[in-house]
Amino acid sequence: DVKVTQSSRYLVKRTGEKVFLECVQDMDHENMFWYRQDPGLGLRLIYFSYDVKMKEKGDIPEGYSVSREKKERFSLILESASTNQTSMYLCASSPPGYLGYTFGSGTRLTVV
Amino acid sequence: SQKIEQNSEALNIQEGKTATLTCNYTNYSPAYLQWYRQDPGRGPVFLLLIRENEKEKRKERLKVTFDTTLKQSLFHITASQPADSATYLCAPGRSGGYQKVTFGTGTKLQVIP
Repeated sequence: DVKVTQSSRYLVKRTGEKVFLECVQDMDHENMFWYRQDPGLGLRLIYFSYDVKMKEKGDIPEGYSVSREKKERFSLILESASTNQTSMYLCASSPPGYLGYTFGSGTRLTVV
Repeated sequence: SQKIEQNSEALNIQEGKTATLTCNYTNYSPAYLQWYRQDPGRGPVFLLLIRENEKEKRKERLKVTFDTTLKQSLFHITASQPADSATYLCAPGRSGGYQKVTFGTGTKLQVIP
């Protein structure tokens, strides 16, 4: 089974901190994604990557950056955390063709 | 702009009945449509994918239909069980290039014993 592992289930950070969310997948998938999920808004795409060192902005990239130095690892960076970035963050991976995403368990981030 | 609509209200059904969830989309011509299940506090889990040239897809007690004329997909769970209680998300997608999948907000299903 494909596994997508997110490094933390819960995180509490202070406003202005730089925050790193890590995601690792073990099935050699080319594509990796970061979403945030908020009540009533559903899943919104922040960034995705289709290859090492390649990235594309999603629908809400402002305030975020990403890094993909190795195929199995995709990091989301909050450059200066703000309270409106309190959310559930979900990482996903997929083979080429974007069919059948495998999601991690999510990181619930609270910015205080 | 493209819009995906799922019933925002929860769907309550009796155990053993068939649950039917609806996904409507506008300003969009997806080549395929995915359905996911999400339990509270967890990431979505992929269930089924149906392509635009397929009318119906089945997997065990699950059935999905895709009507490109009506711009609608229906997701059925037959002989529903309390363990089927979860939120179900639809996700239409286009093929080609670096197209991304867009998720609906989901419908919460509650199966009552």
